[in-house]
Amino acid sequence: QKEVEQNSGPLSVPEGAIASLNCTYSDRGSQSFFWYRQYSGKSPELIMSIYSNGDKEDGRFTAQLNKASQYVSLLIRDSQPSDSATYLCAVGSQAGTALIFGKGTTLSVSS
Amino acid sequence: KAGVTQTPRYLIKTRGQQVTLSCSPISGHRSVSWYQQTPGQGLQFLFEYFSETQRNKGNFPGRFSGRQFSNSRSEMNVSTLELGDSALYLCASSLATAQETQYFGPGTRLLVL
Repeated sequence: QKEVEQNSGPLSVPEGAIASLNCTYSDRGSQSFFWYRQYSGKSPELIMSIYSNGDKEDGRFTAQLNKASQYVSLLIRDSQPSDSATYLCAVGSQAGTALIFGKGTTLSVSS
Repeated sequence: KAGVTQTPRYLIKTRGQQVTLSCSPISGHRSVSWYQQTPGQGLQFLFEYFSETQRNKGNFPGRFSGRQFSNSRSEMNVSTLELGDSALYLCASSLATAQETQYFGPGTRLLVL
């Protein structure tokens, strides 16, 4: 059974701080990795995708991938109250199989 | 480019009834995946369609079914509704495979009474 694990939180950080969200996955053959943000009552929206080991930066967001450790993380710099949401990690394995989602980490940014 | 659309947005049904939900993917996207989301369970994969064929299926009973049309639009059907089927049903589209970036529609919120 392929699994994606996330700490459910809530993760609470003050405004302006760095929020660090973590995700581990069980399938060593996984090839694609995604972070989605979901506001309460809304559908998930893509923040970032990452396919290679290392860091990928997009504005205030940085995704980090370590395939050897089967670990992917999302850093949010200068956290804002508007970043308060649930963050979903999704992992894709071999072609023809479904994307597997973690249950999400709830982030709360206080002003 | 228009995003993924889903209709209806809200539904109220009673136990035993059946329901059909519709999803129109982003233009040019041929893979459509369906998910059920409930509090505490996260996103649970229902099935994926590509070129009018079901390519993948999650661990749901046969009451849950779907189909895809030649224009890539997809429908899912739930027969003999149960109280536990109350959930947010999300459709996501991607270019060709479920391994690529998936873009989600706004969802259909189903309440079964």
